[in-house]
Amino acid sequence: GAVVSQHPSRVICKSGTSVKIECRSLDFQATTMFWYRQFPKKSLMLMATSNEGSKATYEQGVEKDKFLINHASLTLSTLTVTSAHPEDSSFYICSGRLAGEIDTQYFGPGTRLTVL
Amino acid sequence: GESVGLHLPTLSVQEGDNSIINCAYSNSASDYFIWYKQESGKGPQFIIDIRSNMDKRQGQRVTVLLNKTVKHLSLQIAATQPGDSAVYFCAEKTGTSGSRLTFGEGTQLTVNP
Repeated sequence: GAVVSQHPSRVICKSGTSVKIECRSLDFQATTMFWYRQFPKKSLMLMATSNEGSKATYEQGVEKDKFLINHASLTLSTLTVTSAHPEDSSFYICSGRLAGEIDTQYFGPGTRLTVL
Repeated sequence: GESVGLHLPTLSVQEGDNSIINCAYSNSASDYFIWYKQESGKGPQFIIDIRSNMDKRQGQRVTVLLNKTVKHLSLQIAATQPGDSAVYFCAEKTGTSGSRLTFGEGTQLTVNP
């Protein structure tokens, strides 16, 4: 149980284009989803917290107009990297928190974004 | 700011040995801790958690110890196997941070056959 999927697993795009990453909770309802980015050999950095039906809360230093987050349903959240640049290349990971469980987060497999 | 950190960035053990991965935290308000395992190119996988009202919790081959006096968390893996090779992260949650987790830097565990 508590499985989270992400799509795509890898994406390569040209600089200036936008990329959408989907995060789905497959067997549970996630009232809250989180988006992280991770650089090679580094830890996870929280980008934003997404609550179903409301605006995402972004961490300090994360541009909300560049990283658009939508959490339209209890099983789907999307992250759109707008006007991507090479410095946006990273490993993006989402997690979901079970409705009714306060603390535990279950992570997706991650999406490797490469911007050329 | 306050953060979670790990004592050793890398740990190499022989197959069958026990492994101990350490984590230091500095936020005394943290009330929940989790250990995650991350294999290369994959997302973190939940291993075990512990709340601040406990000092030990055991799972299958894993034990987490919490010492609130010195703000130290450890993950013990018994009879380490090659499949245990991965990066291990500790994460903490404070009561005032909602659901937000703060991750440590990670320890690369390598199990030699």
